[in-house]
Amino acid sequence: GDSVTQMEGPVTLSEEAFLTINCTYTATGYPSLFWYVQYPGEGLQLLLKATKADDKGSNKGFEATYRKETTSFHLEKGSVQVSDSAVYFCASSDSPSGGNQFYFGTGTSLTVIP
Amino acid sequence: EAGVAQSPRYKIIEKRQSVAFWCNPISGHATLYWYQQILGQGPKLLIQFQNNGVVDDSQLPKDRFSAERLKGVDSTLKIQPAKLEDSAVYLCASSLAGSGSGYTFGSGTRLTVV
Repeated sequence: GDSVTQMEGPVTLSEEAFLTINCTYTATGYPSLFWYVQYPGEGLQLLLKATKADDKGSNKGFEATYRKETTSFHLEKGSVQVSDSAVYFCASSDSPSGGNQFYFGTGTSLTVIP
Repeated sequence: EAGVAQSPRYKIIEKRQSVAFWCNPISGHATLYWYQQILGQGPKLLIQFQNNGVVDDSQLPKDRFSAERLKGVDSTLKIQPAKLEDSAVYLCASSLAGSGSGYTFGSGTRLTVV
């Protein structure tokens, strides 16, 4: 079945450092891929998504490119801020809008220190 | 636009007791989902409703978990009797029917079973 594997944390970075969180997927078809962020005490918020190969999703300085050849969707940000501290989840869905269900990775906790 | 509302935010119960969670989806969202998020893991779908009908409950432990959405709007998730391993955050999400657009998560109910 479909599944997502993401880099284990926790990750601790200094402010303005470069961030990469790795994510790979397995799927029988061509899923849509998502990154969700969960701030402390809050629900999941959609950060960005890509619905087909070579698509790049971007939001708030974060980017991820759908790589079919490596079945990956790594999250990157060139300069992290303290406010980026949160748990990041990679997810896949067989619907561009996640209309059925999401398959989530285990989450990667990011702490950014001043 | 109001988000997905869940209550209570926190609940602590003893094992073998019963507990119920409530979810009010975004107005007009026909599809409602319940996810279980165990600490250190990604959310896992428990049940999906389309209006008041069940679309997928294959991962719901039916010997102790039940859910209903009688009028196709609000939903309740019940655990009876609770076990220690049920300690988790229970997330409700909703989306527009069919396309799944507008997929939105609530803040969740954190359950601790002692």
